[in-house]
Amino acid sequence: QQPVQSPQAVILREGEDAVINCSSSKALYSVHWYRQKHGEAPVFLMILLKGGEQKGHDKISASFNEKKQQSSLYLTASQLSYSGTYFCGTSIGYSTLTFGKGTMLLVSP
Amino acid sequence: DAGVIQSPRHEVTEMGQEVTLRCKPISGHNSLFWYRQTMMRGLELLIYFNNNVPIDDSGMPEDRFSAKMPNASFSTLKIQPSEPRDSAVYFCASSPTSGSLTGELFFGEGSRLTVL
Repeated sequence: QQPVQSPQAVILREGEDAVINCSSSKALYSVHWYRQKHGEAPVFLMILLKGGEQKGHDKISASFNEKKQQSSLYLTASQLSYSGTYFCGTSIGYSTLTFGKGTMLLVSP
Repeated sequence: DAGVIQSPRHEVTEMGQEVTLRCKPISGHNSLFWYRQTMMRGLELLIYFNNNVPIDDSGMPEDRFSAKMPNASFSTLKIQPSEPRDSAVYFCASSPTSGSLTGELFFGEGSRLTVL
């Protein structure tokens, strides 16, 4: 079951904040976040395991609400380098990773 | 350290031809994944190997697609015969853990396939 990401696209000015959401219709074991720049491979950002934890990576953090089967990625004080497509990947129990369709983020000067 | 290596990086072929994509995972990783990426469908999992054994091939579109992993350092994805709708970027990824539950996936640069 493919997770649903929102919004589909975001345009920001440098320094602004953004939130990307990921939701599933099934109970989740873990949520993974990746960023892909145009023409490149997806690159790992972070993993959140069930337990409602929140993680941070520089000015990028994420939360995982196990009860709501949702995760959110928070980008604070965005930089030009944050531009790209963000994918959430979800796993249900002992299974492989299913990715959402992605959220395109463009940060302009 | 070398990352996941895929070849070819670009492939243009005509409908009906056989296509073979290759992947060398990171040494020591025991899980290997093949994904297909298109604008319409995003990143789709095609097949997952653990310790060279196919564990989940439910994402393989049809019998025209086949994948093998003869040893821990090599995997192939074959399409025969190829069709225009197979045009996509095919990614290989490896992970040091069984399954992708807690492990980071390391992606190769991808193979861009165009079927005319």
